Amino acid sequence: GQQLNQSPQSMFIQEGEDVSMNCTSSSIFNTWLWYKQDPGEGPVLLIALYKAGELTSNGRLTAQFGITRKDSFLNISASIPSDVGIYFCAGQNSGNTPLVFGKGTRLSVIA
Amino acid sequence: SQTIHQWPATLVQPVGSPLSLECTVEGTSNPNLYWYRQAAGRGLQLLFYSVGIGQISSEVPQNLSASRPQDRQFILSSKKLLLSDSGFYLCAWSGGAGTSAQGVYYNEQFFGPGTRLTVL
Repeated sequence: GQQLNQSPQSMFIQEGEDVSMNCTSSSIFNTWLWYKQDPGEGPVLLIALYKAGELTSNGRLTAQFGITRKDSFLNISASIPSDVGIYFCAGQNSGNTPLVFGKGTRLSVIA
Repeated sequence: SQTIHQWPATLVQPVGSPLSLECTVEGTSNPNLYWYRQAAGRGLQLLFYSVGIGQISSEVPQNLSASRPQDRQFILSSKKLLLSDSGFYLCAWSGGAGTSAQGVYYNEQFFGPGTRLTVL
């Protein structure tokens, strides 16, 4: 089946630093989504992207839908301690097919 | 607004015992519903999804089963739990295929709070 390669697997950064993570796929997706999961909770949708080349921001978060439709990245600017968690990318081909999730990027922020 | 509930929040069960986890969604109709399992520190494994009452698609063959007795209710069951069934179980819903003003299909998925299952 389809797979998403999400990198890096984990990262440790200093508070205030910018963060970048990305997802790549061998096949095309029509929708890219980014989620954040806090420990012991369900993932929360951060940003949804619907169009190739689209760049969308949500506060300090910025995500882009790659022009080839095979990749997406998420940037976090000026990281803070509450950014700690696991970030998942997800892609979808068509309306009723399940999302394909990346394996997640575990972010740790050192104060 | 839409909300999704899961219960119980935590569960400790002996090996060989039955399981029933429940998920309900409020504020929407005919949602797509999903069950995921997450091992400690790992990614999300899709177990089952449903696009309508009585319609269940299984992604991973195992000793778990799912049922959708009502439009907004999704149940995950097992007749006999295994040690390997331990994990964090997440239910999710989505509004199904649709189009935005730009004519793009979208399917944003929203997760419940999860049930942590420990099989001893």
